[in-house]
Amino acid sequence: EVQLVESGGGLVKPGGSLRLSCAASGITFTKAWMSWVRQAPGKGLEWVGRIKGETDGGTTDYAAAVKGRFTISRDDSKNTLYLQMNSLKTEDTALYYCTVVGIFTVTTSFFTAFYIWGQGTMVTVSS
Amino acid sequence: DIQMTQSPSSLSASVGDRVTITCRASQSISNYLNWYQQKPGKAPNLLIYAASSLQSGVPSRFSGSGSGTDFTLTISSLQPEDFATYYCQQSYSSPPENTFGQGTKLEIK
Repeated sequence: EVQLVESGGGLVKPGGSLRLSCAASGITFTKAWMSWVRQAPGKGLEWVGRIKGETDGGTTDYAAAVKGRFTISRDDSKNTLYLQMNSLKTEDTALYYCTVVGIFTVTTSFFTAFYIWGQGTMVTVSS
Repeated sequence: DIQMTQSPSSLSASVGDRVTITCRASQSISNYLNWYQQKPGKAPNLLIYAASSLQSGVPSRFSGSGSGTDFTLTISSLQPEDFATYYCQQSYSSPPENTFGQGTKLEIK
């Protein structure tokens, strides 16, 4: 069974830092593309960023709202994904989900989707 | 950036009803469109990928259609467990900035 378990959320003051972790099991983690998606209280889903699998270069991409402040990394020896969040703002308050990016084949084309989700970890930025 | 717009934002329906939710992209995304269901207090769950392919384990009463800029999610006969919020998501652009629609909350009438 594939499982993602996030941890590390909490209350932090504006300008502070926090590191989230996501422990994965049941997947070949080193090949997996992983993303962070967040959801502010009562709001919709917002993509935060992604990291490709090591076999695809392990490169990262970020949403404009977090670029330069957030860093995604992975430790394949521990099957763990990280989200380092610096210079936090009140608008970063959200439930943060880690997800596995699935790659699906339809006829000869490839499609991606967020197909496995963790339960989320709450980050509250407040003074 | 591609913008995704869902309609309606909320919808009231009864058990057994046929329901359709619409998602529109600001530019053509071919069939790079996914649908998710999110129940209160739970993580989203992938329902449909590539506009019309049903994810494994998802009941066949869910179906998706569309291509280009206009897409629909249809639930053929609403069941009590289907009352939830539904999101569309485009996977055409890489990286997937502004990837999700704003959501459609499906409530019991």
